[in-house]
Amino acid sequence: AQSVTQLGSHVSVSEGALVLLRCNYSSSVPPYLFWYVQYPNQGLQLLLKYTSAATLVKGINGFEAEFKKSETSFHLTKPSAHMSDAAEYFCAVSDRGVPGYGGSQGNLIFGKGTKLSVKP
Amino acid sequence: DAGVIQSPRHEVTEMGQEVTLRCKPISGHNSLFWYRQTMMRGLELLIYFNNNVPIDDSGMPEDRFSAKMPNASFSTLKIQPSEPRDSAVYFCASTRTGYGYTFGSGTRLTVV
Repeated sequence: AQSVTQLGSHVSVSEGALVLLRCNYSSSVPPYLFWYVQYPNQGLQLLLKYTSAATLVKGINGFEAEFKKSETSFHLTKPSAHMSDAAEYFCAVSDRGVPGYGGSQGNLIFGKGTKLSVKP
Repeated sequence: DAGVIQSPRHEVTEMGQEVTLRCKPISGHNSLFWYRQTMMRGLELLIYFNNNVPIDDSGMPEDRFSAKMPNASFSTLKIQPSEPRDSAVYFCASTRTGYGYTFGSGTRLTVV
């Protein structure tokens, strides 16, 4: 069974500092991994996805994530935090194929989320 | 594209009442998912449909919960009778081949 663990329920950084949000996954099959962002009182928005192509994935708003099979990790980074990055971030793994990306339709299993605060 | 549309945005109801949450997926999407989000349990998948057919409802908490998708453009999640522990934000998401999930803005349910 697939699962994800997000280390740290809260992360606080200063504006302009590096953002690092950690995600480790467990999967019995080659995983498909995703990062989503949730702003207050809104739904989740896709930041980026890994679907077995390049291991370094670039997403929206300057975020990127690197798939490291040896470490079973998919950490999210951004070189310089902006106040508008304050939100909750969710890592997710697909449990069967890539939902919406061909193959059998699966579903996403989400981590507990990491709330990012950005200090001025 | 109006995105995934959920209604109502907020619902306050008394314990024991029936609650119906509605979702209109993006036109052309063939998979639809219902999630529940709480502080304690995070995001939980309740049920998902593929081409209007329920594929996995193992996340539905109990028989008080039911979901339908009578056509490709509409789905409902019903709770009858509702209980205070059902209070949460309920999200609907849709997708199709080649696209990622698109989430609606959610319905915040409060059962008093």
